[in-house]
Amino acid sequence: EAGVAQSPRYKIIEKRQSVAFWCNPISGHATLYWYQQILGQGPKLLIQFQNNGVVDDSQLPKDRFSAERLKGVDSTLKIQPAKLEDSAVYLCASSRGQDLSYEQYFGPGTRLTVT
Amino acid sequence: DAKTTQPPSMDCAEGRAANLPCNHSTISGNEYVYWYRQIHSQGPQYIIHGLKNNETNEMASLIITEDRKSSTLILPHATLRDTAVYYCIVRVAYTGNQFYFGTGTSLTVIP
Repeated sequence: EAGVAQSPRYKIIEKRQSVAFWCNPISGHATLYWYQQILGQGPKLLIQFQNNGVVDDSQLPKDRFSAERLKGVDSTLKIQPAKLEDSAVYLCASSRGQDLSYEQYFGPGTRLTVT
Repeated sequence: DAKTTQPPSMDCAEGRAANLPCNHSTISGNEYVYWYRQIHSQGPQYIIHGLKNNETNEMASLIITEDRKSSTLILPHATLRDTAVYYCIVRVAYTGNQFYFGTGTSLTVIP
């Protein structure tokens, strides 16, 4: 079974530029998550989708971050404009559903450096 | 807001059992305990999870106390490849049933 795919793996941009990340979850997984992981910290949830609907985006800085999962499969996360403090690893994860007993599977992440 | 407390770091000799503790004194009756690990520059990897009973799989064993206020992850024969940050997570039972990661325990397996 293929895992969660993410691209690109690395991205370097200047502040005020825009950037987009792509995620392809495990086939059949209804729930998709985007996390931000700053160096030395645990991952922090940004947004959670159930199929193509948003379940929770309370931690997403909506003035600059946006995410979509239009067909309930792939997802993109965009930052526009980027700030220095957005430098982090962006992780995508998926699970069969939202049930408490369903584990999440993570992709390798995209490491973003904002200069 | 993480609901768990873990030691920031631990060492373990190669070939010995690694016992990683976690306190989760405010856990509710239907909330699961999950363990993940993260090897440098990789995404978190699922290890094991449990509700009330002890669990074992090919990677590890999870021992949950009877009052469910703490648990221990056991790696029976630690190898150098087990060096990683280990996260104990109580999955909170409200909208979305999200995971809240703390800062974890950095385990170093020593040759």
